[in-house]
Amino acid sequence: GDSVTQMEGPVTLSEEAFLTINCTYTATGYPSLFWYVQYPGEGLQLLLKATKADDKGSNKGFEATYRKETTSFHLEKGSVQVSDSAVYFCALRGNQFYFGTGTSLTVIP
Amino acid sequence: NAGVTQTPKFRVLKTGQSMTLLCAQDMNHEYMYWYRQDPGMGLRLIHYSVGEGTTAKGEVPDGYNVSRLKKQNFLLGLESAAPSQTSVYFCASSYGGWDSYEQYFGPGTRLTVT
Repeated sequence: GDSVTQMEGPVTLSEEAFLTINCTYTATGYPSLFWYVQYPGEGLQLLLKATKADDKGSNKGFEATYRKETTSFHLEKGSVQVSDSAVYFCALRGNQFYFGTGTSLTVIP
Repeated sequence: NAGVTQTPKFRVLKTGQSMTLLCAQDMNHEYMYWYRQDPGMGLRLIHYSVGEGTTAKGEVPDGYNVSRLKKQNFLLGLESAAPSQTSVYFCASSYGGWDSYEQYFGPGTRLTVT
């Protein structure tokens, strides 16, 4: 069945460091791919999405490219800020939503 | 707009007790969902609703019941709680089906069953 495998955390970075959170997927057909973010005490929020191969989703300085050949959708940001500290979830939409386990990111000043 | 709210935020139950989790949304969304999140696992769909008066089973429905008597509310019930139901529960809603529309999530309810 469909599934998402996400990089284990927690991840701790210094401010202005480069961020990569890996996400790979298994799916039949052509799923849409998402990154959600959960800030402390809040619900999950959609960060970015891509609906077909080679699409790049971007928002708030974060980017992810839908790579069909490697079945990946890695999240990147060139320079993280303390305010980016949160839990990040990769997700796939097939016949329902499938979420990764979440990766906790802490950015220290 | 409050968005999606969940009540309560935390709860501790003894095995065999019952409780109801309430989800409310003020966005006039048709679709509502209940997920659970466990350590080392992603969110898993418990039940969902495609409109007032409807409910359907998700991936892990056993031990739970739901009701959608009003469009804005989606209730998740545990009739006889078990330790395996210790989890964080998230409610979500969307304007339309998940094949087209973004889901909006509540802040979660942390439930511990002892």
